[in-house]
Amino acid sequence: EADIYQTPRYLVIGTGKKITLECSQTMGHDKMYWYQQDPGMELHLIHYSYGVNSTEKGDLSSESTVSRIRTEHFPLTLESARPSHTSQYLCASSFRGNYGYTFGSGTRLTVV
Amino acid sequence: EDKVVQSPLSLVVHEGDTVTLNCSYEVTNFRSLLWYKQEKKAPTFLFMLTSSGIEKKSGRLSSILDKKELFSILNITATQTGDSAVYLCAVTYGNKLVFGAGTILRVKS
Repeated sequence: EADIYQTPRYLVIGTGKKITLECSQTMGHDKMYWYQQDPGMELHLIHYSYGVNSTEKGDLSSESTVSRIRTEHFPLTLESARPSHTSQYLCASSFRGNYGYTFGSGTRLTVV
Repeated sequence: EDKVVQSPLSLVVHEGDTVTLNCSYEVTNFRSLLWYKQEKKAPTFLFMLTSSGIEKKSGRLSSILDKKELFSILNITATQTGDSAVYLCAVTYGNKLVFGAGTILRVKS
């Protein structure tokens, strides 16, 4: 049973819309991450957080933004979606010093 | 530039076969190497390796790390159709992971 939840699972939206992908975990993990994965490609880190009010950009440049107001919640926002944002977005979390990540089920985003 | 390279990119075998998946890496400040299995959803954790030469086993799966040659292998014996998935290798540096592109394994009955 998953302890990290992502919603929605699938989203199809029009260009220019603002969207927020939700990610919540109930494990009390201090570290949280957002990865982007295109079909058949590797996972790319786009954002991470080491705790409340801490956010950093990852290795892959992204037009999205994140916030970490509560330990358990790490939403990702796209102010104006474009077709190039079509991808799968995976949220993950871990304890400080523990390298075994727990992943959410992902959000598959399609921008038309 | 830090990178993780997996081979082969894809593999088709028959049930009962043994497969070996490879992962080589070039990262600064290596801390650990992890293997994940990804089916239709998110990756699920298989192994974490930090020391050379110590085999990790879980059922029909096993893995070992060579920190001198900078690679790891994942073995699956007596494969089953349920082993069909993408197998991801990832290496930690600092507090982040860098993932390889994965190996697509298909096990035919």
